[in-house]
Amino acid sequence: DSGVTQTPKHLITATGQRVTLRCSPRSGDLSVYWYQQSLDQGLQFLIQYYNGEERAKGNILERFSAQQFPDLHSELNLSSLELGDSALYFCASSGEGASPLHFGNGTRLTVT
Amino acid sequence: DAKTTQPPSMDCAEGRAANLPCNHSTISGNEYVYWYRQIHSQGPQYIIHGLKNNETNEMASLIITEDRKSSTLILPHATLRDTAVYYCIVRVDVSNFGNEKLTFGTGTRLTIIP
Repeated sequence: DSGVTQTPKHLITATGQRVTLRCSPRSGDLSVYWYQQSLDQGLQFLIQYYNGEERAKGNILERFSAQQFPDLHSELNLSSLELGDSALYFCASSGEGASPLHFGNGTRLTVT
Repeated sequence: DAKTTQPPSMDCAEGRAANLPCNHSTISGNEYVYWYRQIHSQGPQYIIHGLKNNETNEMASLIITEDRKSSTLILPHATLRDTAVYYCIVRVDVSNFGNEKLTFGTGTRLTIIP
């Protein structure tokens, strides 16, 4: 158990809809990261937050947004969903410096 | 971040040591080497990391060459549950305002043979 909790585990929705994925980081970790993994694809970095502030941005679509709340949990919002957004979405958290990232078990999003 | 090169696939007999190589010839002095693995569609699992000294934990050993241009992850007694994709990643330690993201490559698909 990595200590990172993601909900829901599975999500099935229709094209054009909006969904919210939630992540609770490990206790004490201030950094939260979001990654996307499409079928048979690599892990793509989307965005990172540190203590409530956006820290780094990767290949995140404009239809996607994220935030980190004062209690340090984070949400990833995906809107105007397309079939190609079907993927595993992973959240990770880490402490300071060279601390490793610890990943949750992901949310599997299926857009029909 | 420095890039890494790993063989796309490897096999190892169950019970033997699995040695996974990684080349990172352009690594900088403040970049660490991290190893992760991903079993099927689970979240990537942290294994071990190091800067220049060899490291060992309950899962594996990490051997970094003196020039730091390559490293080897050693799983001492491989089991079937070690079948996974293994990622070698280098990452800078910035130590301010949170640390750096990880950039995943394609990794090595390790298959443990019964």
